[in-house]
Amino acid sequence: EAGVAQSPRYKIIEKRQSVAFWCNPISGHATLYWYQQILGQGPKLLIQFQNNGVVDDSQLPKDRFSAERLKGVDSTLKIQPAKLEDSAVYLCASSLMGGRPMNTEAFFGQGTRLTVV
Amino acid sequence: QKEVEQDPGPLSVPEGAIVSLNCTYSNSAFQYFMWYRQYSRKGPELLMYTYSSGNKEDGRFTAQVDKSSKYISLFIRDSQPSDSATYLCAMDSSYKLIFGSGTRLLVRP
Repeated sequence: EAGVAQSPRYKIIEKRQSVAFWCNPISGHATLYWYQQILGQGPKLLIQFQNNGVVDDSQLPKDRFSAERLKGVDSTLKIQPAKLEDSAVYLCASSLMGGRPMNTEAFFGQGTRLTVV
Repeated sequence: QKEVEQDPGPLSVPEGAIVSLNCTYSNSAFQYFMWYRQYSRKGPELLMYTYSSGNKEDGRFTAQVDKSSKYISLFIRDSQPSDSATYLCAMDSSYKLIFGSGTRLLVRP
């Protein structure tokens, strides 16, 4: 079974530039998550999709971050404009379905490491 | 106070040792408790999950939850160098995972 695919693996940008990350979840997985993991910290949920609808985006800085999941499959996360504190690993995860304990079945991609200089 | 507290380590042990990893939490509403393992430059992978209080064993790994003390543990028996990784505890809150900051474990050959 193919895992969660993310690209790019690494990205370096200057502050105030924009950047986009792409995620392809495991086939058939209805739930997709984007997490931000700052160095030395645990992952923090940014946004959660169920199919192509948003379930939770309470921790997404909406003034600069946006995400979409077209046709309930692939997803993109965008940052515009980037700040120095956005330097982190952005992890995409997917799970088969919603409902507790949905997050116990979440499979993570390798992440995109973003450095903002 | 953070909702989930975890000692960042690093924890260095010799091969074959019993490893104890722990987390404390403040939210009594948490019901599902998980342990993830994260190798360097990889995404986290689920090791085990436990519902409510009690123990759960899977091979060399044992997860314990004590809800009265708001304390969870992961024990690794006969630790191997391949167990060297960061271990993240995570707890379910309103269908959202709250992660600890992770404990870095190094098992020396």
